[in-house]
Formats: sequence, C-alpha cells, structure tokens
Amino acid sequence: QSALTQPPSASGSPGQSVTISCTGTSSDVGGYNYVSWYQQHPGKAPKLMIYEVSKRPSGVPDRFSGSKSGNTASLTVSGLQAEDEADYYCSSYAGSNNLYVFGTGTKVTVL
Amino acid sequence: QVQLVQSGAEVKKPGASVKVSCKASGYTFTSYGISWVRQAPGQGLEWMGWISAYNGNTNYAQKLQGRVTMTTDTSTSTAYMELRSLRSDDTAVYYCARGRFGTTIDYWGQGTLVTVSS
Repeated sequence: QSALTQPPSASGSPGQSVTISCTGTSSDVGGYNYVSWYQQHPGKAPKLMIYEVSKRPSGVPDRFSGSKSGNTASLTVSGLQAEDEADYYCSSYAGSNNLYVFGTGTKVTVL
Repeated sequence: QVQLVQSGAEVKKPGASVKVSCKASGYTFTSYGISWVRQAPGQGLEWMGWISAYNGNTNYAQKLQGRVTMTTDTSTSTAYMELRSLRSDDTAVYYCARGRFGTTIDYWGQGTLVTVSS
C-alpha cells in the first residue's frame, strides 16, 4: 500500500488561506469517505483536525475545512495564524487488508 | 476526557524485541479498537496495525506481518504492541491511537521512542 501523495510544503501570510492536497487511488481516498487530517507540531502527537472528509471535531476552529473530489482530498486553512505552522498529514481507510494509509505530510509555514 | 498513556522510551539491540504499552482512560475501552502508528525520525506516519479491544481481532500491515503482535488486557484497559527481530530502521516514535474498525483514528497517545542500536 503506497502512501498518499501530499506536497512537501505550503505557506501563506497571516490572514491568508492555504490548501493542501492529498492524492490517492480508488482503493483508498476515492473509494471511501473516511478521510482524516491531522496536525502535528514538532515533538508532539498528531491531533485530529478533520474526519470523514469534512467534519470538524469539537474544539477545532472553523478556519479548518476539508473536501474531496475523486481520488483527491483537500484541507484548507483560512485566516492563517502563527499557531497553524505545523506538519499536516492526511489519512484514508484503505480496505480490510491494510486498514489505513497516511499521506507523505506537508509542512505549513506561516510567513 | 479520553487519555492514552504510553510506556517510556526503550533502547534495544538489533535482533531483540520490544513491547510498548498504552493505558486507556476516559471511555469504555471495549467499545473501540487501538491502532499503532510509527514515525521514524524526520519521516511521516506509518500505520502498523489495529486490534479490537472488544474481541482481540487484529489487522496488521502486510510489511510487518510475522514480526508484530498486538494484544489487549481489558481488566486494565491496556493495549500492547510487541515488535520482534528489531532492525535499525525500526527506530521510531511509536504511537497508539483510538479508533473503531475502518473509521476515524481520533485520540493519540504521547508516543514512545524506540531506539535500535548496537
């Protein structure tokens, strides 16, 4: 099972928006609506930001939004803030043999 | 609140085994499963496997089949991950995380650094 493809980096100034893509196949992203996004600050555990493509857990700001089209999912962070600077990983359910696959990760820099 | 508390850092020699624990609290342990995910230094996340805390059913990543065993102890709400025949490229932070079969992995433990070095 290959990792989902994400751009290595993305950046934006405070207040701007940044969108991160996550490309898989019809066997993972395209086949199921269990796509999640995680934020990871250095030395910390990942934190769930988006689940089931576009749902936000309680406590996650509405500046974070998710969507999916075909085999590609996307995370948009609007109104960038300094604390949004982190690594972001997507993940998807990938069927009953290898349950989950993660993305390659994207480092978001707030300029 | 949901908490997953993992055991401390380990240093192992190549060929040895390691067993990491993950104690859950704040929810009904048997209503969820536990996934194990690892992250090599400076690298991305890699899913290792999942175990049902309800009945002990497991699902392992194909690349780790035969080297990894996941178990649970419902009396203490603790999950365990044992990795055998350790190699240098098994050096990583190992995370446990809560999730039902095939659905969202939501809460994560703090991570356990396993270093494999001669």
